[in-house]
Amino acid sequence: AQSVTQLDSHVSVSEGTPVLLRCNYSSSYSPSLFWYVQHPNKGLQLLLKYTSAATLVKGINGFEAEFKKSETSFHLTKPSAHMSDAAEYFCVVSGATSGTYKYIFGTGTRLKVLA
Amino acid sequence: GAVVSQHPSRVICKSGTSVKIECRSLDFQATTMFWYRQFPKQSLMLMATSNEGSKATYEQGVEKDKFLINHASLTLSTLTVTSAHPEDSSFYICSASAGLFTDTQYFGPGTRLTVL
Repeated sequence: AQSVTQLDSHVSVSEGTPVLLRCNYSSSYSPSLFWYVQHPNKGLQLLLKYTSAATLVKGINGFEAEFKKSETSFHLTKPSAHMSDAAEYFCVVSGATSGTYKYIFGTGTRLKVLA
Repeated sequence: GAVVSQHPSRVICKSGTSVKIECRSLDFQATTMFWYRQFPKQSLMLMATSNEGSKATYEQGVEKDKFLINHASLTLSTLTVTSAHPEDSSFYICSASAGLFTDTQYFGPGTRLTVL
């Protein structure tokens, strides 16, 4: 069975400082991993996706994530936070069930950016 | 590319009425569409998966007669909440996947349903 754990429910950073959102996964095979962002009352926007091509994945808006198999981690980072980054972030692992890929969501991390 | 729309964005209805929510993939053909429900400050809960031309597959605990899903074409899926009650009030989000060999889902902007 696959699962994903987001280690922090809330993260606060000051504008201009680095962002680190932590995610650990469990999978019996090489997984597909995703990070999505959700702004209030909006749908989810895909930030980036890991599919085993490269361990360091660059996404939109300056975000990137590194896949570390030995640590079963897929942490999301950004060098410098902007106020517009304040949102809910979801780490997702994809698993196939009866031929259909389904998402397993983490519980989410709410990022707060302080001026 | 990979844009998914939902309509309406907000709907308020009276208890006992039915509400239909549309989900469209605008620039790609969606072999599979998913319907999620999200409670305040919580993660997304998968309700059902639908493949074009097939009956939807519902997750355990989701009433199929309550939440009717139709995926009549490769660009349109609908969710009908029948005989809505206040406890059905929620944020409903659809997503679409472009093919059998891809697992990336693209999400709609969501529909806020309020049942009075």
